[in-house]
Amino acid sequence: KAGVTQTPRYLIKTRGQQVTLSCSPISGHRSVSWYQQTPGQGLQFLFEYFSETQRNKGNFPGRFSGRQFSNSRSEMNVSTLELGDSALYLCASSHDSGANVLTFGAGSRLTVL
Amino acid sequence: GENVEQHPSTLSVQEGDSAVIKCTYSDSASNYFPWYKQELGKRPQLIIDIRSNVGEKKDQRIAVTLNKTAKHFSLHITETQPEDSAVYFCAASRGGGSEKLVFGKGMKLTVNP
Repeated sequence: KAGVTQTPRYLIKTRGQQVTLSCSPISGHRSVSWYQQTPGQGLQFLFEYFSETQRNKGNFPGRFSGRQFSNSRSEMNVSTLELGDSALYLCASSHDSGANVLTFGAGSRLTVL
Repeated sequence: GENVEQHPSTLSVQEGDSAVIKCTYSDSASNYFPWYKQELGKRPQLIIDIRSNVGEKKDQRIAVTLNKTAKHFSLHITETQPEDSAVYFCAASRGGGSEKLVFGKGMKLTVNP
């Protein structure tokens, strides 16, 4: 079956703009998590959605938001972009069968100029 | 909340040597500990995981050990090969679908032929 699909793969924005990233989970997976990856900081948890509800949230400012649709697809939005938001944004889905076995997408690489 | 520390941050070994990556965690309620491997330019992929009711788990050349009393767990790679070169992330969670997975900052392993 198809893996986790993220779009767009690459994008360049300027400070102050906003961006929306999309994630389509593996068919049947109802949980979608988002992580920010930057050099030296590893994978930092942004939020997790399950059945259209935000179930967990990391320590990111309110400029970072997300949502999940009834088909489990998820989007995350970053408003008022800052240079420090440049990163690889990874989405991961899981079946939510009682384990946190995450399958990651290829990521969306955001560059803020 | 949970905090996962990973060390060393980089490790270089000769092909055929063993490599050990150590992680500590802070939340005594954590009971699920996966390891992810991320090759250059690729997505993180689960390579092995362990739950708190098990002290050790092996899969061919890789093994993971868990010491719940000391709150640390380790990844052991034997007979390293150049294709083992990657960034390795440890993570911890309280388990269950509703609990977020917290990652360490990663360790870059280089296996020199």
